[in-house]
Amino acid sequence: GQQLNQSPQSMFIQEGEDVSMNCTSSSIFNTWLWYKQDPGEGPVLLIALYKAGELTSNGRLTAQFGITRKDSFLNISASIPSDVGIYFCAGQNPGNQFYFGTGTSLTVIP
Amino acid sequence: GAVVSQHPSWVICKSGTSVKIECRSLDFQATTMFWYRQFPKQSLMLMATSNEGSKATYEQGVEKDKFLINHASLTLSTLTVTSAHPEDSSFYICSARGGTRRSTDTQYFGPGTRLTVL
Repeated sequence: GQQLNQSPQSMFIQEGEDVSMNCTSSSIFNTWLWYKQDPGEGPVLLIALYKAGELTSNGRLTAQFGITRKDSFLNISASIPSDVGIYFCAGQNPGNQFYFGTGTSLTVIP
Repeated sequence: GAVVSQHPSWVICKSGTSVKIECRSLDFQATTMFWYRQFPKQSLMLMATSNEGSKATYEQGVEKDKFLINHASLTLSTLTVTSAHPEDSSFYICSARGGTRRSTDTQYFGPGTRLTVL
């Protein structure tokens, strides 16, 4: 199926730094979801966004639903080693179809 | 809430055998479940959408006779890989739609099943 444009593809950062990643689409979505996947496990839902312009936080994570409904970003503040993993965005369009981003691999260097 | 389980978590089988993977929504009813396949370092690839009480909808290129899906109840969907071959070795993940205030707008994933075909 279709995939969303997610960037960056990978990130290597020092512990304590902030992280920002984003997802873009050529079409509008009604819902944006952000997941984290650890090796050998299924994705875990981090944040769900249901309204354009919505800004939602979950601990050190903050995500926003773009005002154009075609993009979303995820920020992680003060990264720690356990933030390591692959982060996926997902969007649901007005036809109730889900699309996933290509993933951002995050490495945190202690 | 919104917990999805998968069983087994890993399986090794001989070429030519069939393998059944179960996906359960533990604390909510899921009218729709999805089956994905994931190769190392890649994103999720949707295989099929499973609706309770009806036939699954398969993505282009996915053989419905090889990957049999049964969504028998609102909490259980099964994927059977028939006559498995080594190229079917992969990480299979299910997800269920629902479980929150926007019940149709969120997917919750199972922990995945690692299939190795010898």
